Amino acid sequence: NAGVTQTPKFQVLKTGQSMTLQCAQDMNHEYMSWYRQDPGMGLRLIHYSVGAGITDQGEVPNGYNVSRSTTEDFPLRLLSAAPSQTSVYFCASSITHFGQPQNTIYFGEGSWLTVV
Amino acid sequence: EDQVTQSPEALRLQEGESSSLNCSYTVSGLRGLFWYRQDPGKGPEFLFTLYSAGEEKEKERLKATLTKKESFLHITAPKPEDSATYLCAVGGGATNKLIFGTGTLLAVQP
Repeated sequence: NAGVTQTPKFQVLKTGQSMTLQCAQDMNHEYMSWYRQDPGMGLRLIHYSVGAGITDQGEVPNGYNVSRSTTEDFPLRLLSAAPSQTSVYFCASSITHFGQPQNTIYFGEGSWLTVV
Repeated sequence: EDQVTQSPEALRLQEGESSSLNCSYTVSGLRGLFWYRQDPGKGPEFLFTLYSAGEEKEKERLKATLTKKESFLHITAPKPEDSATYLCAVGGGATNKLIFGTGTLLAVQP
């Protein structure tokens, strides 16, 4: 059981380039999300999905796109990378909606992105 | 405004020296308070969920408690392997999403 798998682990981009961070989970979870973690700030929600074909914005969605064509996969796309997007990105999945009782959220290992 | 504040930012303990980490919150309609452990270069790892004031949960040397305004993570006789960043998050509030604190970096020296 792999849990939540993120790729790549590390990436350096030039300003203006685009790329996709991949996330896959094998727990048949309906809810998936992307967070970014920056020094001195808590994890912040970028986008989330409550099931295949359904996505919505989180706290900091600008500059990112997501789609959810299958239950397993939830890729995060950076459309035109900017230095402000230098961060560590975490994908997460859970059985039920965040903030619901009896919910455990599983996180991936993280993707370190540097935009120069 | 929904908010989560963790203190201290960093804590250094000697092995065996017990202490507590604090997570204070202001959120309407709390749907759960979560504690996570995060090791360097890794994703957060789930530790506990607490739902109502007075609730307590334990796991090895860790014990989490909850009041109406804050949660404590008590660490009894810590070992060097307990060194990590401990994150607190609350579920609920205006957006019914998870709101994370900035974490407490714990270092336990042998």
